[in-house]
Amino acid sequence: GAGVSQSPSNKVTEKGKDVELRCDPISGHTALYWYRQSLGQGLEFLIYFQGNSAPDKSGLPSDRFSAERTGGSVSTLTIQRTQQEDSAVYLCASSPGTGWSPLHFGNGTRLTVT
Amino acid sequence: SQQGEEDPQALSIQEGENATMNCSYKTSINNLQWYRQNSGRGLVHLILIRSNEREKHSGRLRVTLDTSKKSSSLLITASRAADTASYFCATGPGSSGNTGKLIFGQGTTLQVKP
Repeated sequence: GAGVSQSPSNKVTEKGKDVELRCDPISGHTALYWYRQSLGQGLEFLIYFQGNSAPDKSGLPSDRFSAERTGGSVSTLTIQRTQQEDSAVYLCASSPGTGWSPLHFGNGTRLTVT
Repeated sequence: SQQGEEDPQALSIQEGENATMNCSYKTSINNLQWYRQNSGRGLVHLILIRSNEREKHSGRLRVTLDTSKKSSSLLITASRAADTASYFCATGPGSSGNTGKLIFGQGTTLQVKP
């Protein structure tokens, strides 16, 4: 079956521009997570959705970052006025949302801010 | 913030040898999970061990958990070149209200030489 799909796979943008990253979770998965992975590093939690609500936004680095989820499915992570330090791989994961289920990850969006 | 610290950061072995990776964490946990990441890809779940379990097996993988020392180890037996990847431990905090949110370590990069 289809896994978690992220688009675009690569994005190069100029400093100061806005970008939108998209995540299509596995159908029926109510929980959705965004993580950020800098080169050679571990994963940094950004935000968690349960359905369309985001009960945990504690990892968003600044108010330039926002995310939404509609229809309990697709999620969009928006970064406004991008900075060079925003360059990283942005990973999306979903899970059935019941208890401690393993996370299913997409292949990520590699963002490069020039 | 990152909770897990992994050791070693990098490991290089010959095919057929065993590989052991260690993970330490700081706060109480509900469970600990191990994930694998091939270069340029998302993470794939390997195994989950709950806080009341001490050891778990899955094929060539053996995971141990010592909650008194706040540490876990992942053993891959009879390694293959295809096991070359980065391996991450991730903890499900005991206080996170069962959101499923995981906190990841920095990872161990494993190279298995044919």
